[in-house]
Amino acid sequence: EVQLVESGGGLVQPGRSLNLSCLASGFTFSNYGMNWIRQAPGKGLEWVASVSSGSSYIYYADTVKGRFTISRDDAKNTLYLQVTSLRSEDTALYYCARHGNNLHYYFDYWGQGVMVTVSS
Amino acid sequence: DIQMTQSPPSLSASLGDKVTITCQASQDINKFIAWYQQKPGKAPGLLIHYTSTLVSGIPSRFSGSGSGRDYSFSISNVESEDIATYYCLQYDFSPRTFGGGTKLELK
Repeated sequence: EVQLVESGGGLVQPGRSLNLSCLASGFTFSNYGMNWIRQAPGKGLEWVASVSSGSSYIYYADTVKGRFTISRDDAKNTLYLQVTSLRSEDTALYYCARHGNNLHYYFDYWGQGVMVTVSS
Repeated sequence: DIQMTQSPPSLSASLGDKVTITCQASQDINKFIAWYQQKPGKAPGLLIHYTSTLVSGIPSRFSGSGSGRDYSFSISNVESEDIATYYCLQYDFSPRTFGGGTKLELK
């Protein structure tokens, strides 16, 4: 069974940093691309960042480019998101999600999410 | 970025009804659209990909259709367990973009 378990969220002041993690199990982690997708309270879904299998390709949404860094450790089956220079508009539930290795990939499995609250 | 205009934002239905949700893309997305169901407090779950391909285990009362810019998602014979918010996702272009969501409620 595919499982994705996020951790590392919390309440943080504006301008500070946080490190999110997503531990994967139930599939060969190194074979899949991975993503972070967020959802502000009561709002819709926003793709944030993706990393391909082998970390060859990394992409970011314009709203987080230069502030967030996605990475992966295949030996630990773990996806990371380093979030810096946090703003109130970054307050959201952050999901990690898997995608396949096709050119046209969608998100097939999602974790339960980790909450990040940016407030003074 | 591709804009996905999803409508209606909310929908009220009785048990047994058929409901339809639409997503219009800002340009042709070549049938690369997926549909997700999100229940309160839960992560989104994939229902359909490539316009009409049902994910294994998803009931056949869920269906999708469309082409070009215009796509629809339907639930026939709505059941109480279908009460959720539904999102479309285009995956033809990067960045991937979602529709705004449709909240399905019981009448």
